[in-house]
Amino acid sequence: GAVVSQHPSRVICKSGTSVKIECRSLDFQATTMFWYRQFPKQSLMLMATSNEGSKATYEQGVEKDKFLINHASLTLSTLTVTSAHPEDSSFYICSARGPSSSYNEQFFGPGTRLTVL
Amino acid sequence: AQSVAQPEDQVNVAEGNPLTVKCTYSVSGNPYLFWYVQYPNRGLQFLLKYITGDNLVKGSYGFEAEFNKSQTSFHLKKPSALVSDSALYFCAVRDMRNAGNMLTFGGGTRLMVKP
Repeated sequence: GAVVSQHPSRVICKSGTSVKIECRSLDFQATTMFWYRQFPKQSLMLMATSNEGSKATYEQGVEKDKFLINHASLTLSTLTVTSAHPEDSSFYICSARGPSSSYNEQFFGPGTRLTVL
Repeated sequence: AQSVAQPEDQVNVAEGNPLTVKCTYSVSGNPYLFWYVQYPNRGLQFLLKYITGDNLVKGSYGFEAEFNKSQTSFHLKKPSALVSDSALYFCAVRDMRNAGNMLTFGGGTRLMVKP
């Protein structure tokens, strides 16, 4: 089946630094990837949709200058949390839209836990 | 607009008993429906989906779900719960009419299976 990886799985950083999270589709090409944020005991909230070769589409209330998304290839999207603050601490999950034959299913990465001190 | 409701924050069931996790949805067109499971500090794992065809869908780990169009529901079920089924379960919907639509997730239901 389609596999999506995320790196790193866990990161701790100091307030004010920037953190980059990678999302890779390992065995399929993903023209569209999605970035979600999940707070403890809460559901996934879509942050942005990342399209290969074009600008990401951000959901209402998500600061695009703070959460930089780059989808430079068909297998890689990156989320950079700039000038991170403790309130950015969260579980970030990416997903990739599968091949057209799979009803445009989304396949999810294992998530990245960000802790900002 | 599309939405999903999971009315129960938590479901408690004894091992060996049947379990049901409820989900209702709202879409303007026909739905694609999904169930995912999440273990602590892990991403979502796909359990099953309804696209078209039989209303009863069988998925991974012995789970099944029944699509009920008149009640706009897609409840997740398992005949005999295992302690290892304890996790967070998410129902999700996408409008079949618009392939570009994103998944909308329910709030999640924590399933606790006790020995």
